[in-house]
Amino acid sequence: AQSVTQLDSQVPVFEEAPVELRCNYSSSVSVYLFWYVQYPNQGLQLLLKYLSGSTLVKGINGFEAEFNKSQTSFHLRKPSVHISDTAEYFCAVNSGGYQKVTFGIGTKLQVIP
Amino acid sequence: DTEVTQTPKHLVMGMTNKKSLKCEQHMGHRAMYWYKQKAKKPPELMFVYSYEKLSINESVPSRFSPECPNSSLLNLHLHALQPEDSALYLCASSQVGDKFSSPLHFGNGTRLTVT
Repeated sequence: AQSVTQLDSQVPVFEEAPVELRCNYSSSVSVYLFWYVQYPNQGLQLLLKYLSGSTLVKGINGFEAEFNKSQTSFHLRKPSVHISDTAEYFCAVNSGGYQKVTFGIGTKLQVIP
Repeated sequence: DTEVTQTPKHLVMGMTNKKSLKCEQHMGHRAMYWYKQKAKKPPELMFVYSYEKLSINESVPSRFSPECPNSSLLNLHLHALQPEDSALYLCASSQVGDKFSSPLHFGNGTRLTVT
């Protein structure tokens, strides 16, 4: 079985400040991990993915995430946020076979001017 | 601009109506999905089609009927829905070459309201 836990439902942060959105996963097998972003009234867009190799993954819009197997974490970071980063962020894991992606409950990032 | 197109963007229907949601992609993906997303919740998987055949049905009520006429199109036929079926319905597609690692490409969804 696979599951994802996003520890924060909302994260307020001032513009140009750094941010970290936390994600922990559980799986009995190898995992593929993803972060998606959802802007209001839109679908989800892939930010980045971890499949294998380097544990530091860079994505679009200046985001990056680090895979930590020992802590079963895949936290998302950005050194300096912008107002346009205000959105819902979903961590997701796929290890259960045939595209059965499991999403976390989401973290709402609110960037304050 | 999204590469997965969903129509209509908004739909209001009564409980006795029959309507259809449509999804189209031209990325050559051979897996297509329907997800349901309630407000402030993550997307929930409903159906998966692989090579135009239904491969996953997550115990969805029969009032939702999916159809995949060809590799680019995916429909969701709706009949006798309930108000609690009101939600954002998202279509997605992906490659199937590597089952576990292909990311999902989502459309912008159809906002469905059942009255």
